[in-house]
Amino acid sequence: QVRLVQSGAEVKKAGSSVRVSCKTSGYKFSNSSISWVRQAPGQGFEFMGWINGHIGNPNYVQRFQDRLTLTIDKSTNTVYMELRNLRSDDTAMYYCAKLDSKDFWTAFVDYWGPGTMVTVSS
Amino acid sequence: QSVVTQPLSVSGTPGQRVIISCSGSSSNFGTSTLNWYQQVPGTTPKLLIYGNNQRPSGVPDRFSGSKSGTSGSLAISGLQSDDEANYYCAMWDDNLNGLLFGGGTKLTVL
Repeated sequence: QVRLVQSGAEVKKAGSSVRVSCKTSGYKFSNSSISWVRQAPGQGFEFMGWINGHIGNPNYVQRFQDRLTLTIDKSTNTVYMELRNLRSDDTAMYYCAKLDSKDFWTAFVDYWGPGTMVTVSS
Repeated sequence: QSVVTQPLSVSGTPGQRVIISCSGSSSNFGTSTLNWYQQVPGTTPKLLIYGNNQRPSGVPDRFSGSKSGTSGSLAISGLQSDDEANYYCAMWDDNLNGLLFGGGTKLTVL
């Protein structure tokens, strides 16, 4: 079955960077994309970007364009998310989430990782 | 900036039918299909409905979805106590160039 296993919780200082990993299994890595979605405490979901498992080209939503880097390691079917220049309002649960999509407009998340809590202190 | 609107809360009694609405704009509802997620606080979200009205295997047929124009809804019939959770709609948004989530609706089973 599909599994997404994320790295453990992180506590970071404002201005630093965090890197979270998402090791996937149970499906053909190159046939899907992995997205990253975050959820601040008590809040809703915010989509950050996604990366194609075949080509490895990342796509970022505008507000994260300057601070976010998504990469893949095809040898281990792992996706990495790095967020730089952290601020206190980046404190959130970060989920990797597998996208099922024939095209953008029918895309949806069919599997979620367990989440990685990132806490940013000033 | 695109926004998708859901009611903050809905409630119902066991056995009742409740409907959660989701409204947006042409940049999302105009071309995209609607999806719904259930999240019990402290747990990972679960896909309930995709493609406007499709249920993944394992989701009971008490859950149904629909979409028309720039709005959609999730209906839950035969309400049960363990349906108490937060429900989120989501769809692709052309302005965001990503999945846009509604703010979420807290369902309380009285």
